[in-house]
Amino acid sequence: DIQLTQSPSFLSASVGDRVTITCRASQGISSYLAWYQQKPGKAPKLLIYAASTLQSGVPSRFSGSGSGTEFTLTISSLQPEDFATYYCQQLGTFGQGTKVEIK
Amino acid sequence: EVQLVESGGGLVQPGGSLRLSCAASGFTFSSYWMSWVRQAPGKGLEWVANIKQDGSEKYYVDSVKGRFTISRDNAKNSLYLQMNSLRAEDTAVYYCARVIADCSGGSCYSWAFDIWGQGTMVTVSS
Repeated sequence: DIQLTQSPSFLSASVGDRVTITCRASQGISSYLAWYQQKPGKAPKLLIYAASTLQSGVPSRFSGSGSGTEFTLTISSLQPEDFATYYCQQLGTFGQGTKVEIK
Repeated sequence: EVQLVESGGGLVQPGGSLRLSCAASGFTFSSYWMSWVRQAPGKGLEWVANIKQDGSEKYYVDSVKGRFTISRDNAKNSLYLQMNSLRAEDTAVYYCARVIADCSGGSCYSWAFDIWGQGTMVTVSS
């Protein structure tokens, strides 16, 4: 089974910061990776699929890149509403999550 | 409005059963793979099961195989999860989700969950 490892697990940042989260796959998965945002008590929200395709309605400050075994989610300028937990996912496997908190 | 609404959660004793339902609206339900994803309290997301558009293919995480059954009724725009022999470790919020599936030649390469319900809580405890 494929394992997905996110880093860091926790990130403290300020409004306006550029933030990058990494997701590493235990074996090559081409570009078959999605990213989600989840706020406390809410359902996850799809941000990006196919590694770099922005889901409709998602702000352009979010971007994804990578292929094979290493992928990144970048928030170009962190906004107050972006403080949340982020997950990567491929088929039936999710990463363990990255919590982004206010510095 | 595209919407998924789960129901059927609650408190059940270990070894008991529960049936979750998910009502879909605002899209052509029969055109999509559908999934159940769960989240234990304070933990991350865990995919539970998938079902193909016509119900002909079903997939499960190993920990629920033989205990949970996913099904759908396209005439009623509804997804179900029958959960038997429940264990404490099944305690979680259960979400239904619409799947964007990239499949060909009998294999699926990618699932992305683009629409989620609000979730229903299942607590397994004596």
